[in-house]
Amino acid sequence: KNEVEQSPQNLTAQEGEFITINCSYSVGISALHWLQQHPGGGIVSLFMLSSGKKKHGRLIATINIQEKHSSLHITASHPRDSAVYICAVLINFGNEKLTFGTGTRLTIIP
Amino acid sequence: ETGVTQSPTHLIKTRGQQVTLRCSSQSGHNTVSWYQQALGQGPQFIFQYYREEENGRGNFPPRFSGLQFPNYSSELNVNALELDDSALYLCASSVDSQETQYFGPGTRLLVL
Repeated sequence: KNEVEQSPQNLTAQEGEFITINCSYSVGISALHWLQQHPGGGIVSLFMLSSGKKKHGRLIATINIQEKHSSLHITASHPRDSAVYICAVLINFGNEKLTFGTGTRLTIIP
Repeated sequence: ETGVTQSPTHLIKTRGQQVTLRCSSQSGHNTVSWYQQALGQGPQFIFQYYREEENGRGNFPPRFSGLQFPNYSSELNVNALELDDSALYLCASSVDSQETQYFGPGTRLLVL
């Protein structure tokens, strides 16, 4: 079992829909990242959070440390939001390292 | 302020060869992490360098080695390449090991 699980693996939605991507993890962490990866490989860090909620534009990220769960929401989705969204956790066992989920491929249809 | 850059962008090697990938960190960042991303998979942590010292390592064999220079740029070296080493190699820099990481565009390596 992977330490970081994401769902769904693939998501197709119509433009304007509200999108939710979920991330669950099984280990103790010091922080969680949401990343966006476009075709070709470039990765952009969207959020780093260790508690509560963060908002940036149409993106909202929440985390529940007790339940070991985080969600990424996109409001008023747009075709340019189409990308792979990756959840990564910072596991602190003396050496800091990011452990990644396998990603959620999001496609927004105009 | 320049972002994280990597070179080369693409590379083709044959089995048994050696390869060096390079990463220039964002200005002011002293930590560089390297990741391997196989097709359709999430990135896997290779190792991290903080102020020129290795600061953590993932489950990769010793033929994966690295180096960080005084200007905090970094190299990833892979010896005795295997077909399964074909992947996108990403580096990310951060102000400190616990801060937000900024990713480079990656180097796509194909081993034939």
